[in-house]
Amino acid sequence: NAGVMQNPRHLVRRRGQEARLRCSPMKGHSHVYWYRQLPEEGLKFMVYLQKENIIDESGMPKERFSAEFPKEGPSILRIQQVVRGDSAAYFCASSPWVGEAFFGQGTRLTVV
Amino acid sequence: KNEVEQSPQNLTAQEGEFITINCSYSVGISALHWLQQHPGGGIVSLFMLSSGKKKHGRLIATINIQEKHSSLHITASHPRDSAVYICAVRVGNNDMRFGAGTRLTVKP
Repeated sequence: NAGVMQNPRHLVRRRGQEARLRCSPMKGHSHVYWYRQLPEEGLKFMVYLQKENIIDESGMPKERFSAEFPKEGPSILRIQQVVRGDSAAYFCASSPWVGEAFFGQGTRLTVV
Repeated sequence: KNEVEQSPQNLTAQEGEFITINCSYSVGISALHWLQQHPGGGIVSLFMLSSGKKKHGRLIATINIQEKHSSLHITASHPRDSAVYICAVRVGNNDMRFGAGTRLTVKP
């Protein structure tokens, strides 16, 4: 049973481009969480999803950011028109129930 | 003031020393997590606690719900324990709030 898989591990985008970050939860896990870790800062909750539903997006910036967790396939965090301030590590975690969380290796986004 | 405070921010120890990292929180929680983040950045969940004490190998985590305080102990520390240790609390079902982390360096 592979762990939580995130890809790509590293992503470089120019200002104004779109970034798509993927997270494949552990087998059997239907809860997915996205977190952001800005340079020299702690982790911050962004969004919590279950299959085909956004349960809590209170941590998501109001513009340019969106997330989905379709019935089939990975969860996607999408950032449109990236800016330098979006450079961060984005972590995904999954769980089979509300509670225990298993983290992925993260995607490090650099906006140049 | 941060809702989750960790101390110390940085900790250097000699191999073999007993290490304690503290976490205090100011919100009502459903669970507390201790996480480990190595250089290169992957995060590993060490413990999830809602009461009492848990032990895994050389790691021990305790929580005092009344005092809103948790400790992570490492016995017989080793250089491979060098990492950032993060305390995180789950608020309700969804939201996890994180401490700033404690950077541990264990010297041989």
